[in-house]
Amino acid sequence: AQKITQTQPGMFVQEKEAVTLDCTYDTSDPSYGLFWYKQPSSGEMIFLIYQGSYDQQNATEGRYSLNFQKARKSANLVISASQLGDSAMYFCAMREGPYSGGSNYKLTFGKGTLLTVNP
Amino acid sequence: GAVVSQHPSRVICKSGTSVKIECRSLDFQATTMFWYRQFPKKSLMLMATSNEGSKATYEQGVEKDKFLINHASLTLSTLTVTSAHPEDSSFYICSARPGQGIGYTFGSGTRLTVV
Repeated sequence: AQKITQTQPGMFVQEKEAVTLDCTYDTSDPSYGLFWYKQPSSGEMIFLIYQGSYDQQNATEGRYSLNFQKARKSANLVISASQLGDSAMYFCAMREGPYSGGSNYKLTFGKGTLLTVNP
Repeated sequence: GAVVSQHPSRVICKSGTSVKIECRSLDFQATTMFWYRQFPKKSLMLMATSNEGSKATYEQGVEKDKFLINHASLTLSTLTVTSAHPEDSSFYICSARPGQGIGYTFGSGTRLTVV
């Protein structure tokens, strides 16, 4: 079974509107972390937002927020007020294990969602 | 912030030759480096995890003899694609986790084309 599932291969949004990118995950580890990365066509991986499994509140970083529904194992990314520069691939990723546990916990990535922002 | 410098960013090589990709942690010590491979418009697939001073751990299905990983120091990890073939053409990217923070730092990636 896939550990990270992103069901939207592509999404379109009008500039200045909000968009939600879906991510569901599968783990039996009580300690885990969920990440969203943006990858523009240049290939660099840009960290957007993080949610820890024990975090009580949904994470927010500027125009990015994470809708964390633990019981449903869902960690959707919400981008508000989309901009043309938001057009990119977006990856959801998971680290299994506590963040304080050291540097050797790998990230597992979903297949990604290609977001296109239309003017 | 923590930076991983990856070189080269782009390389074209002839079939049968070997190519070395370097990842250096510039302002932190990377005891572990993760190496990923990415095909166009696809996900990042973990190839191997390298640990300083020990043998790399390869994911299932990754040929150890083709993708040689060396992590000789706390600031340098290398991936050598040996006897490269056109099917090895891909985007390779490394990543490390600085300290005890939550984040992972990625190199800028290497686009390998084997002709």
